[in-house]
Amino acid sequence: EPEVTQTPSHQVTQMGQEVILRCVPISNHLYFYWYRQILGQKVEFLVSFYNNEISEKSEIFDDQFSVERPDGSNFTLKIRSTKLEDSAMYFCASSLAGGPGTDTQYFGPGTRLTVL
Amino acid sequence: GNSVTQMEGPVTLSEEAFLTINCTYTATGYPSLFWYVQYPGEGLQLLLKATKADDKGSNKGFEATYRKETTSFHLEKGSVQVSDSAVYFCALGDYGQNFVFGPGTRLSVLP
Repeated sequence: EPEVTQTPSHQVTQMGQEVILRCVPISNHLYFYWYRQILGQKVEFLVSFYNNEISEKSEIFDDQFSVERPDGSNFTLKIRSTKLEDSAMYFCASSLAGGPGTDTQYFGPGTRLTVL
Repeated sequence: GNSVTQMEGPVTLSEEAFLTINCTYTATGYPSLFWYVQYPGEGLQLLLKATKADDKGSNKGFEATYRKETTSFHLEKGSVQVSDSAVYFCALGDYGQNFVFGPGTRLSVLP
């Protein structure tokens, strides 16, 4: 069964450093998403991406964050200058489309980001 | 805006007990409703879904019925197992908008 994959599974970085989290969505899916989950807390939406542009973003997704689909398979989240509070599990998700019946989002296993 | 409320738990049950995890939602449109499960140390897995009112989603013995009149999507299982121990998230997906998750309910099943 097709699945969303994410790399790395765990990333440790120093405060102020840039990190890139990588995702490979399901191949025929058109919508891509990033969410984060601070330890023990709820899953929070960051950004959605369709047709090579951001379609929606939350208040969390400030200028420090960017997303890119550099080729036909990868979908990346970049944090330019990490802060301690960016430590969280980051989940990538993809869906076939955005409408009812086709909007089921399939999640990757997550990347745990630890900022020291 | 859209929101999801669910009982936060933790919920502790003995094996073979009946499980209910309540979920209610607020939405302006006609959302699809989902239950995701997160096993310890793992990501989010889709457990079941329902795309319109009165639909029943079911998987692995779990069921949830989309009730528009009560804006609810309660998760039930008749007989839980130790392997069901996980965090369960109710989620809402509205056309043109992005998923909103409930806070999650931690379930522990004791042998």
